[in-house]
Formats: sequence, C-alpha cells, structure tokens
Amino acid sequence: SAVISQKPSRDICQRGTSLTIQCQVDSQVTMMFWYRQQPGQSLTLIATANQGSEATYESGFVIDKFPISRPNLTFSTLTVSNMSPEDSSIYLCSVAGGAQYEQYFGPGTRLTVT
Amino acid sequence: EDKVVQSPLSLVVHEGDTVTLNCSYEVTNFRSLLWYKQEKKAPTFLFMLTSSGIEKKSGRLSSILDKKELFSILNITATQTGDSAVYLCAVEGPGSGGSYIPTFGRGTSLIVHP
Repeated sequence: SAVISQKPSRDICQRGTSLTIQCQVDSQVTMMFWYRQQPGQSLTLIATANQGSEATYESGFVIDKFPISRPNLTFSTLTVSNMSPEDSSIYLCSVAGGAQYEQYFGPGTRLTVT
Repeated sequence: EDKVVQSPLSLVVHEGDTVTLNCSYEVTNFRSLLWYKQEKKAPTFLFMLTSSGIEKKSGRLSSILDKKELFSILNITATQTGDSAVYLCAVEGPGSGGSYIPTFGRGTSLIVHP
C-alpha cells in the first residue's frame, strides 16, 4: 500500500483567504483524488488529479474555488480559495493502488474557517 | 444519482458482542463495493467485494455482497474497544471523467464499551 502524507495537518484560517494543501505519495501513481468530509457527513469527491492534464471536477465543485496542481506522479496540491465558514471540513487526498486497485487515504487536513 | 445508505447510523455495544453493519446501494454500472474503517481522519481499507455470495474475511471481520438485492453486510465478532470507529461503505461507479470513483455512505459509528 502507498504511504501518503499531507501538509498541513490542520489550520485555522480567516474568511476570504486561501489555503493550499499538499499531498505527497511515496510511489508514482497515475491518479490522485481529493475529498472533502464536512462535519457529520460522508466523504465527497472534489476532483481527480491526473499528471499532465487538467483535473476532473465532480458536480458542485469548480476550478476557481478548488484549483488543483499535479506537477509530477508523486505530488499534488489542492487550494481552497476565498474561504468561508462553510469550507470548514477535513480534506483528504487518496490514491488508487494495491492488489485490488483500492483507494488509500492520506491523514487528512482539518480546516477551520472563522 | 448514485446512492449509498448505511444502517444503523450509530451503534453502542459491549466488548465480546457481535455486530452487523448494513450497506444498501443504487449505482449504475457497479464495479465494486468497499468497506473502510475511519478512526480519526484517514479511512483505512478493509475489504473490496465484486462478486455476490463470496465472503471476505480478515480476523474477526467478514463481509459479503448481494448484487441481486443490492446490499452488503460487515460483521464484527467478539468486538473489542479497538473496533470503535466509523465504518464507511463505498460503491464504485463511473465518474464524470470516465474513471471509476467511489460514492461513500455516511457511515456507521460503532462504540464498543469495555
């Protein structure tokens, strides 16, 4: 299974500002995924990040709000732009791997917007 | 729209009890059903199920899928306090970018008292 790290692990931000979350994987992977988990809710996929192409966003998420970079096969960033309290959530990156191509998750970033 | 419903939403038991967690789903072009355990932030992979009637087992945990009735169960026997977590069910179907992505249920929160 892949080892995934995320930075920062948590942050408290003021509304109107932006935060960039980093995700590093210990092996090369084709696809990386970014999820959001709001308090008491399930995981919701924000976008799929492919190296060398634009990220694919799920319904309800747009690039202007959640720009993603994928400069190489082991790294990706997600920016939460112009934050509001509704963006308070845990943000997780994941990769698909293993014998069954199951998804593995990073430790998550807990974001609080005041 | 794909849908994954888990029940019960929460469960409180004592050590040694056996629990059964339920997951029902509606998804077009089903590929697999996955179970995860989420203790703090990052979900950890438990099982991937693709075929009906074949039980997957790992220690005290086991799971089975019924593709005709569109549900799965996760059993935990002889529960321990370390089993306390949120258990997430996810079903893989085609995403907007063409790759298969999981849709997660809201999870079952299990608390095991000593």
